[in-house]
Amino acid sequence: NAGVTQTPKFQVLKTGQSMTLQCAQDMNHEYMSWYRQDPGMGLRLIHYSVGAGITDQGEVPNGYNVSRSTTEDFPLRLLSAAPSQTSVYFCASSYQGAPFNEQFFGPGTRLTVL
Amino acid sequence: AQSVSQHNHHVILSEAASLELGCNYSYGGTVNLFWYVQYPGQHLQLLLKYFSGDPLVKGIKGFEAEFIKSKFSFNLRKPSVQWSDTAEYFCAVNNYGGSQGNLIFGKGTKLSVKP
Repeated sequence: NAGVTQTPKFQVLKTGQSMTLQCAQDMNHEYMSWYRQDPGMGLRLIHYSVGAGITDQGEVPNGYNVSRSTTEDFPLRLLSAAPSQTSVYFCASSYQGAPFNEQFFGPGTRLTVL
Repeated sequence: AQSVSQHNHHVILSEAASLELGCNYSYGGTVNLFWYVQYPGQHLQLLLKYFSGDPLVKGIKGFEAEFIKSKFSFNLRKPSVQWSDTAEYFCAVNNYGGSQGNLIFGKGTKLSVKP
């Protein structure tokens, strides 16, 4: 199993550009989520999904969109990039409905917005 | 709202020193508790987790954590650190029965171990 994969690893954008961060998992996990990691802030939840066709907002959803058309994929879209979105983005997945909720993380995407 | 507090931003230790990293959470109901580690340039990996039962939990690489419900704490310990333990450590909580899967993370504690 590849686990949770993310592409690209690095990305530089100009203010106002749009892009999609890709996330895929091959563990048949129902739950998937996106976090951003900023120095001194820990990880903050952006959006999450409990299954195909179902998404919801986390703590910091503004400026980001998500969709979940398949169990495997959970892309994160930046509609109009801003310097405040410079961050490291992690995708995670876990089984849904179990009490355990151990999340498996991808390797991250380091995004810089100029 | 739930929150997780990690008391130390940066801890510097010499090899063989003992480690204790503090973690407190604010939720009063049933919780699941986790410690994740992030080695330089890598993604988060699970160190250990607590769901129920014995409040002393053992994880990988010699780490352990103790859940003290009355103190809302879940401190991470290791008797003797190694240089390879240099990493950032994150405490996280999930309120079982809440939004399934959503984790609330602390801000992290950076551990530097001097050889």
